[in-house]
Amino acid sequence: DGGITQSPKYLFRKEGQNVTLSCEQNLNHDAMYWYRQDPGQGLRLIYYSQIVNDFQKGDIAEGYSVSREKKESFPLTVTSAQKNPTAFYLCASSPTSGTGPRGNQPQHFGDGTRLSIL
Amino acid sequence: AQKVTQAQTEISVVEKEDVTLDCVYETRDTTYYLFWYKQPPSGELVFLIRRNSFDEQNEISGRYSWNFQKSTSSFNFTITASQVVDSAVYFCALSDPSSGGSYIPTFGRGTSLIVHP
Repeated sequence: DGGITQSPKYLFRKEGQNVTLSCEQNLNHDAMYWYRQDPGQGLRLIYYSQIVNDFQKGDIAEGYSVSREKKESFPLTVTSAQKNPTAFYLCASSPTSGTGPRGNQPQHFGDGTRLSIL
Repeated sequence: AQKVTQAQTEISVVEKEDVTLDCVYETRDTTYYLFWYKQPPSGELVFLIRRNSFDEQNEISGRYSWNFQKSTSSFNFTITASQVVDSAVYFCALSDPSSGGSYIPTFGRGTSLIVHP
């Protein structure tokens, strides 16, 4: 089945450590996104990518980095500069980030990764 | 700039009650899209509906219905005869071309719906 796979489901980070969250999609979507979810905060955009080898900062990019070397993959690295990384991280994809012939399409989401501090 | 407000943080109802989740949005663009997503306890967001700014027709899908009113910038979601399985967090989202021409969704803070048996 086509979909988005996030791994791991749970992740623990030690002080000063960088950790990488994986996101893979087999939907042939051009656009991919990373969101952070905190209780009562909704989803906040960290980074998004509209095409391979290109990505843009979202609203809360500080302390995070991404890469988009392949269409299917959009890994997120939480660096040691992110002082409050404990949150639920969601990856999403959509056919494009524009309107296209069928308008702006909804996003497909993964199951998320819950990151905690050790 | 775009903004989505879901003023109801949590709603608690008893099974079979009707419940309406409010969503108010702000945008300067005439072309935009509105979405509702459901997030069950498993965590994955599930797409429910999409509306574009040129289509104000209300929509019904089974027990779910949506009321889109441009005059009040609202896109409310009603569940009729609620069931325990409807318990989830519901998100309203808006996308418009404010991100340099790209339609990048902005989400509201979500409304947690608890349906008691």
